[in-house]
Amino acid sequence: QQQVKQSPQSLIVQKGGIPIINCAYENTAFDYFPWYQQFPGKGPALLIAIRPDVSEKKEGRFTISFNKSAKQFSLHIMDSQPGDSATYFCAASERRRESSGSRLTFGEGTQLTVNP
Amino acid sequence: NAGVTQTPKFRILKIGQSMTLQCTQDMNHNYMYWYRQDPGMGLKLIYYSVGAGITDKGEVPNGYNVSRSTTEDFPLRLELAAPSQTSVYFCASSNSNYGYTFGSGTRLTVV
Repeated sequence: QQQVKQSPQSLIVQKGGIPIINCAYENTAFDYFPWYQQFPGKGPALLIAIRPDVSEKKEGRFTISFNKSAKQFSLHIMDSQPGDSATYFCAASERRRESSGSRLTFGEGTQLTVNP
Repeated sequence: NAGVTQTPKFRILKIGQSMTLQCTQDMNHNYMYWYRQDPGMGLKLIYYSVGAGITDKGEVPNGYNVSRSTTEDFPLRLELAAPSQTSVYFCASSNSNYGYTFGSGTRLTVV
């Protein structure tokens, strides 16, 4: 069974803090690692993604760090804001095959609260 | 563009009833997926489709069926609803760039 394990389950930080969410995977065939952000009552939305040929990717205040040897990756949110309060999911998929598409395996989710 | 549209948004079913969750996308994506989301469990893949006429089981397919007669539509059928199917259901679509576009979900309660 392919698995992606995510921690912590919940996280509370003050405005301006740097929450860090961690994920670990087992399947070495995974080659795409996205993070999704979900607000209450909404579907998940793609936030940022990385491939294993780089160790870090930054988009605005969001950074993914990737450690291929440890099979771990993490999301860092710089200068967090109350508007960042949401549930965050990591995910992973294998190289796309036409017969199967890029089926994502999701972590369990982290509920982030950023207090004013 | 509407993206991925799911209907209904909410539904309460009695045990043993049947229903179809509708999903339509207007992005001409070949790949479509159905996930269920349970608290603390992340999203689990129920069924997926790589194109019209082609569907396959995901991680948790029992109790569900799907069809894909057109590129746009990917309905999910529950034949005999059970309390274990109480969940939030998300439909998603993607193209060759891997990124998924999700619908806003259907919250289903089976009583």
